[in-house]
Amino acid sequence: EIVLTQSPGTLSLSPGERATLSCRASQSVSSSYLSWYQQKPGQAPRLLIYGASSRATGIPDRFSGSGSGTDFTLTISRLEPEDFAVYYCQQYGSAQWTFGQGTKVEIK
Amino acid sequence: EVQLLESGGGLVQPGESLRLSCAASGFTFRNYAMSWVRQAPGKGLEWVSAISGSGGNTYYSDSVKGRFTISRDNSKNTLYLQMNSLRAEDTALYYCAKGSAPEYKSLDYWGQGTLVTVSS
Repeated sequence: EIVLTQSPGTLSLSPGERATLSCRASQSVSSSYLSWYQQKPGQAPRLLIYGASSRATGIPDRFSGSGSGTDFTLTISRLEPEDFAVYYCQQYGSAQWTFGQGTKVEIK
Repeated sequence: EVQLLESGGGLVQPGESLRLSCAASGFTFRNYAMSWVRQAPGKGLEWVSAISGSGGNTYYSDSVKGRFTISRDNSKNTLYLQMNSLRAEDTALYYCAKGSAPEYKSLDYWGQGTLVTVSS
């Protein structure tokens, strides 16, 4: 089973700042199968990025994904108030889907 | 508009069974894989199970294999999760999620979840 490790656990930033979230896999992941989700309190997760770098429908272009192999990154170029949330990476491999443990982006 | 509505959650004792349902609308249900993902209180997301569009292929996490069974009725646009031999650690909010295009294996739409509590 591929394990995804997200860092940092918590990111304390101010609106307007840039957020860089990391997702590291225990073994190589196909870029096609790496996704990112956002979850706000009391809400279901929302797909942000699929295929490592493609934005899902309706996702603003301040969100971008990059990476390959075992290292992937979600970048939020300028944080808006509504972006403070928990972010999860997810991969598919060998008929299993796994999620990272999440990174909380909080207001500093 | 894609809609996923879970139901069937509740309070059960350890060892008991429960069946969750997810009613889907707004897309051609039979064309997409579906998954169940759970979230224990205050914890992260855990994938539980997935099923292909036809229902012919099913997948399970190691934590539920042999106890849970995923199925679907494409004539009713409904996804199911039969949960047997429930344990305290199965307590969670269970989400139904729609698979995206098969070449990406992401989950592009989610329901609001149904809460399962396993406690004596």
